[in-house]
Amino acid sequence: GQNIDQPTEMTATEGAIVQINCTYQTSGFNGLFWYQQHAGEAPTFLSYNVLDGLEEKGRFSSFLSRSKGYSYLLLKELQMKDSASYLCAVAGNMLTFGGGTRLMVKP
Amino acid sequence: EAQVTQNPRYLITVTGKKLTVTCSQNMNHEYMSWYRQDPGLGLRQIYYSMNVEVTDKGDVPEGYKVSRKEKRNFPLILESPSPNQTSLYFCASSFGGDNQPQHFGDGTRLSIL
Repeated sequence: GQNIDQPTEMTATEGAIVQINCTYQTSGFNGLFWYQQHAGEAPTFLSYNVLDGLEEKGRFSSFLSRSKGYSYLLLKELQMKDSASYLCAVAGNMLTFGGGTRLMVKP
Repeated sequence: EAQVTQNPRYLITVTGKKLTVTCSQNMNHEYMSWYRQDPGLGLRQIYYSMNVEVTDKGDVPEGYKVSRKEKRNFPLILESPSPNQTSLYFCASSFGGDNQPQHFGDGTRLSIL
């Protein structure tokens, strides 16, 4: 079976750093994705990890530990426009999404 | 512009009245899929297609049909819609499969009364 857990909601302050965690138990593993979804819009691709370690892309970084079934998305220098849901998804026997973490950035 | 186009964007209809949601992509992607998104449940895969004439069930296929007669199109068919199919639906496509970044359409909000 597939199980992906991430916090439902988080709040952070503009300019700060926030870490969104994701733990997973899946049948097979072909990579882990992070997507951003603004309210009422389509998800958009942020990052992909298939090997252990940190992938950095501008203000966003994503980390993966396959042995621990764990990933996190790190957002630095938070901006108001970063207020959105962040979806963790694992490609195993099929692509499975977590419930998403709604991030609210406050001034 | 590379995109996935869904129609309609919004639809209110009644139980039992057959409906089709169209999905078209202009990126020559082999892989296409349909998801529904419900509060607290996240995105759940309904059906996917690895290529023309190849379709398979996802997590929640009951009550839905799909077809893939052409590479660019992947319609979702609800033969006899019921209120529990009220949801936000997304079509997605990618080059290689579900281990590639997915490109999502803008979504279709269906209300079945």
